[in-house]
Formats: sequence, structure tokens, C-alpha cells
Amino acid sequence: KAGVTQTPRYLIKTRGQQVTLSCSPISGHRSVSWYQQTPGQGLQFLFEYFSETQRNKGNFPGRFSGRQFSNSRSEMNVSTLELGDSALYLCASSPFGPNTEAFFGQGTRLTVV
Amino acid sequence: KNEVEQSPQNLTAQEGEFITINCSYSVGISALHWLQQHPGGGIVSLFMLSSGKKKHGRLIATINIQEKHSSLHITASHPRDSAVYICAGLNYGGSQGNLIFGKGTKLSVKP
Repeated sequence: KAGVTQTPRYLIKTRGQQVTLSCSPISGHRSVSWYQQTPGQGLQFLFEYFSETQRNKGNFPGRFSGRQFSNSRSEMNVSTLELGDSALYLCASSPFGPNTEAFFGQGTRLTVV
Repeated sequence: KNEVEQSPQNLTAQEGEFITINCSYSVGISALHWLQQHPGGGIVSLFMLSSGKKKHGRLIATINIQEKHSSLHITASHPRDSAVYICAGLNYGGSQGNLIFGKGTKLSVKP
């Protein structure tokens, strides 16, 4: 069974640009959660999607958005990038949500210059 | 004060030692995850538990919901156990909660 796949693995963007990150969950998993990890703040919850609906959202500005497709693949988008958006972005898939075991991807390391 | 606190922040052990990492939380949670993160970023879920104790190989996780405390134990530690260990609480019941993370414990096991 293939694991959680995140693309791209590394990304360098310039301030003001926008970026789209992709996450393909484990086959059959309907929940995809996104997290941001920075040295200062650690891991923080961004949002969770289940069956194409955003069920929960963390405390991040509206520049951070996401969506989920009918095949459960998810994308997150960050617009008007700031230097502070440099981070490791992780997604996790689970069958039904965070009350079941989560499987994490390798992450996308975003650097904003 | 963080809602999920881990201790210690850093831990160095000799191969073969018994290791304990602690996690305390101040919010109500319905379940707790223990995660392992190796250099390079990939995260592996070790345990998810809501009561009692779970064991997998040399790893044991316990949780006391009333005392709002969980521990991760590693028996007969090995250099390959060197990683950052993160606990995360599911902040309310059902499938729609979100995870609140501790800052992590960086473990280094010396041969």
C-alpha cells in the first residue's frame, strides 16, 4: 500500500508569490490534515478536510487555504507569501479523522526569500 | 504556557538505557498521539491512545486521563532511536478535533 505522498519536496519562492502544495493520501483514507512546522512554533494545525469538506481550521490567516478533491487528494495554497511562511508543511491522512491513526507524508520544505 | 508540555526538551542516553519522555496537557483531550520525527522531516505515528497502556516492540506508551499525563518509554535504547519525539493531544472528541502538539523531545542515543 503506497504511503502519503507530498509534492514537491522542496520549494523556493519569493515574497509576494503564491504557492500550491499537494498531498495524496493513502488509498481509502478520506481525511487529510495539514500542519506547519517551524523551529520557533513547532507543529501547528492548519486545517482538515474530509470528503471534500473543510471540517476544522487552525488559527492561520486567510492567505492559507486548501481544498480536497473527490479522490481525496488535497492541495493547500498560500498566497502573498511572507518570509515567516518558510516552514516544513506536512500532511497526514487517516481513515476518518484525527481520532484514528494518522499517517504522515515526508513534507514539503518551503523557503521564502 | 503551552497547552501540551513535554519534558525533557533534550535527552542524551547511552545505548541500552531505559528512556522515559513525559507529556502533560492542560486542555481536555480525548486521545493522545506519540510521533517520531527523524532528521529530514518525515513523521511516523508510534501510538494513539486514549486510556491505559500500549506496547510495540521496545516502545511502551501510557496515559492517565485523570492526571492529564502520558509517558513514552523506550527499553534497551539503540542509536537508531535517535529522533525527535512529539506528543499531540486530540483536543475534543469525535472525528472533528484537531491535534495540539508539544514542542518535542530530541533524543540522542550514543553507542
